[in-house]
Amino acid sequence: AQSVTQLGSHVSVSEGALVLLRCNYSSSVPPYLFWYVQYPNQGLQLLLKYTSAATLVKGINGFEAEFKKSETSFHLTKPSAHMSDAAEYFCAVIIQGAQKLVFGQGTRLTINP
Amino acid sequence: DTGVSQDPRHKITKRGQNVTFRCDPISEHNRLYWYRQTLGQGPEFLTYFQNEAQLEKSRLLSDRFSAERPKGSFSTLEIQRTEQGDSAMYLCASSSSSGANVLTFGAGSRLTVL
Repeated sequence: AQSVTQLGSHVSVSEGALVLLRCNYSSSVPPYLFWYVQYPNQGLQLLLKYTSAATLVKGINGFEAEFKKSETSFHLTKPSAHMSDAAEYFCAVIIQGAQKLVFGQGTRLTINP
Repeated sequence: DTGVSQDPRHKITKRGQNVTFRCDPISEHNRLYWYRQTLGQGPEFLTYFQNEAQLEKSRLLSDRFSAERPKGSFSTLEIQRTEQGDSAMYLCASSSSSGANVLTFGAGSRLTVL
């Protein structure tokens, strides 16, 4: 069965610094991979998705992620953090042809002024 | 396109009472999902429908939980005889069966069982 591991339940960076949120997946077949963001008391908003096209995926709000099959990773990055990026970030995986999205435990991103 | 709507946004109930949540998906989406999210955790899959058919249920969905999607449009999630452990955010999402099955989530219904 597919699964997702997010390394680091809490990441703290300074405003303007690089953001790196780590995600590793486990899947025996090619997956689709997603990053969602959740602001307090809100639902999940799609940041970006990998669906077996380009391995470097650009999303909203300046975020991007790179699919690395050899490392089974899909890490999320942003060159320069903004205060408004403070939120909970979830990596998720779905096997192509399957219907169920499986989420990681989430990483809370804090931005220091 | 008004997105996925969930009602109520917040529900406080006493242990043993029944509660019902409603989800209105994006109109052209034929798949509808329910997830549960507890504090500090990622969303956990409960069940999903394709049109009006309930195609998969998680083991998390005990006999006290029932979900319906009678006409393939809106869905309801009912919890009978609520327990304190049912306190969570209940998230609804919808998607189209074509393409990469990208889920669009609603804002969630937060349940507090006293």
